[in-house]
Amino acid sequence: GAGVSQTPSNKVTEKGKYVELRCDPISGHTALYWYRQSLGQGPEFLIYFQGTGAADDSGLPNDRFFAVRPEGSVSTLKIQRTERGDSAVYLCASSLTSEIGELFFGEGSRLTVL
Amino acid sequence: QKEVEQDPGPLSVPEGAIVSLNCTYSNSAFQYFMWYRQYSRKGPELLMYTYSSGNKEDGRFTAQVDKSSKYISLFIRDSQPSDSATYLCAMSGWDYGGATNKLIFGTGTLLAVQP
Repeated sequence: GAGVSQTPSNKVTEKGKYVELRCDPISGHTALYWYRQSLGQGPEFLIYFQGTGAADDSGLPNDRFFAVRPEGSVSTLKIQRTERGDSAVYLCASSLTSEIGELFFGEGSRLTVL
Repeated sequence: QKEVEQDPGPLSVPEGAIVSLNCTYSNSAFQYFMWYRQYSRKGPELLMYTYSSGNKEDGRFTAQVDKSSKYISLFIRDSQPSDSATYLCAMSGWDYGGATNKLIFGTGTLLAVQP
């Protein structure tokens, strides 16, 4: 497809479980961003990649969160030992370069931790 | 205090009305200002993007930035039911590792345009 694709669209898990969320950016976009959006809030920055490397991971809330982009395209956000407070919509976005400009968002992965 | 403040609404207006949406911010380093529109259960999409102070117009939409007051606005003329969505302001500046898409978002204002 032409847009940013995220899977799964919905994920329900139990507290303490491990979760992986996948993002497939627009082809040719070198920059990839993860944001988290809690109910009634705006998106909050988590991490961004320029190519394969994490250029800025200052938004990751703690060491249970980790993200990779091994080949500079698809990215996976990994959450260990999930907690109820991790419940949110995880949004992935890509842009042509890392410079300021239009971000193209996916529809998000809605994570619910019971 | 949050870096970006935005009234969450909801804001309900009749079709054809002029809508005014606003954000205030505290970080004087912000230089890039955006408005994103988010429909229910969808990702945000960019509506308007301005650099520094001034006005920018695109069709029925006008974005205004007043850096001296740390205040930004989005105006929607001749509002339509299809404009019903959440409107998010977002900002970035050079303090954030260069001017990147590491954005600070407001909470969003939910707008309903009644036919």
